[in-house]
Amino acid sequence: EPEVTQTPSHQVTQMGQEVILRCVPISNHLYFYWYRQILGQKVEFLVSFYNNEISEKSEIFDDQFSVERPDGSNFTLKIRSTKLEDSAMYFCASTKRGQINSPLHFGNGTRLTVT
Amino acid sequence: QQQVKQSPQSLIVQKGGISIINCAYENTAFDYFPWYQQFPGKGPALLIAIRPDVSEKKEGRFTISFNKSAKQFSLHIMDSQPGDSATYFCAASMNNQGGKLIFGQGTELSVKP
Repeated sequence: EPEVTQTPSHQVTQMGQEVILRCVPISNHLYFYWYRQILGQKVEFLVSFYNNEISEKSEIFDDQFSVERPDGSNFTLKIRSTKLEDSAMYFCASTKRGQINSPLHFGNGTRLTVT
Repeated sequence: QQQVKQSPQSLIVQKGGISIINCAYENTAFDYFPWYQQFPGKGPALLIAIRPDVSEKKEGRFTISFNKSAKQFSLHIMDSQPGDSATYFCAASMNNQGGKLIFGQGTELSVKP
């Protein structure tokens, strides 16, 4: 079964550094998302992306964050200047259609540790 | 108003027992309620989902009960197995916001042999 793949599985970075988290969504999916899960807490929506532009973003997704689909397969999340509170598991997700009953497929996540 | 409240935070059930996890919401614009299962080191995976036009949906050992007037829904796992041990998240979304899910806090289920 096709999967959403994320790399790296674990990223350690120093505060103030830039990080790029990478995702390869399922190939025929058109809608892409980033979610975040701080350790022990709930999964939180960050941003949705369709047709090469952001369709919606949460309050968490401030100017430090950006997303890009640089080619036909990758979908990236960039954090420009990381803060300690950015430490979390970041999940990429994709779906074929934007309707509510189109299942979201999540990757296994990238654990970001900011020191 | 965008919150989904989930309880309990953790649950221990004997093998063969029934696991029940509850969620409540405020926003009546929500009209899609999925449950996700997450194993350690993995992303959430869709388990079962319901729309508010039905009061119950069953898939195998998993059942969602939905009470629209009370704005509550619950997941029942019948004949719970050790392999069901995972974290379960309820979620909600609105028709015009497709994949934007509002998740509950999660329930860590442990099924003892």
